[in-house]
Amino acid sequence: NAGVTQTPKFQVLKTGQSMTLQCAQDMNHEYMSWYRQDPGMGLRLIHYSVGAGITDQGEVPNGYNVSRSTTEDFPLRLLSAAPSQTSVYFCASSYSTHPYEQYFGPGTRLTVT
Amino acid sequence: AQRVTQPEKLLSVFKGAPVELKCNYSYSGSPELFWYVQYSRQRLQLLLRHISRESIKGFTADLNKGETSFHLKKPFAQEEDSAMYYCALNSQGGKLIFGQGTELSVKP
Repeated sequence: NAGVTQTPKFQVLKTGQSMTLQCAQDMNHEYMSWYRQDPGMGLRLIHYSVGAGITDQGEVPNGYNVSRSTTEDFPLRLLSAAPSQTSVYFCASSYSTHPYEQYFGPGTRLTVT
Repeated sequence: AQRVTQPEKLLSVFKGAPVELKCNYSYSGSPELFWYVQYSRQRLQLLLRHISRESIKGFTADLNKGETSFHLKKPFAQEEDSAMYYCALNSQGGKLIFGQGTELSVKP
């Protein structure tokens, strides 16, 4: 099993550009989520999904869109990148919403200039 | 409001010394708490969860509801323990609320 995979590993965008961060898992997990990690602020939940076709907002959803058309994939879209979105983004998945272990991807380091 | 606070950004100890990483939480109800660890150039991974009351890599954490704390402890630190440690609270529906993180540095 590859676990949770994320692409790309690094990305530089100009303000106003759009892009999609990819996340995939091969563990048949129902629950998937996106976090951003910023110095001194820990990880903050952006969006999450409890199953295919179901998504909801987390703590910091503004500027981001998600969709969940399959169990395996949970892409995160930045429609118009802003410097405030410079961060490290982590995708995670777990078997259910019960507090089982969440498995994290390796992260995507995004810089918006 | 649901919140997790880790008051120390950096904790530096010598090898063999005891370690305590502090975590305080705010939650109405019965909390479910975790410690996650991120070693250098590795992905974030679960270290332990309070419901299992286990010891992983010599680390333990006890939930103290009276003090709303879930401090992580190890009696004798090792250099390989150097990492970033995050305390996390399970909010409704499996959403994790993370603390700010504490960087542990174990010096030889």
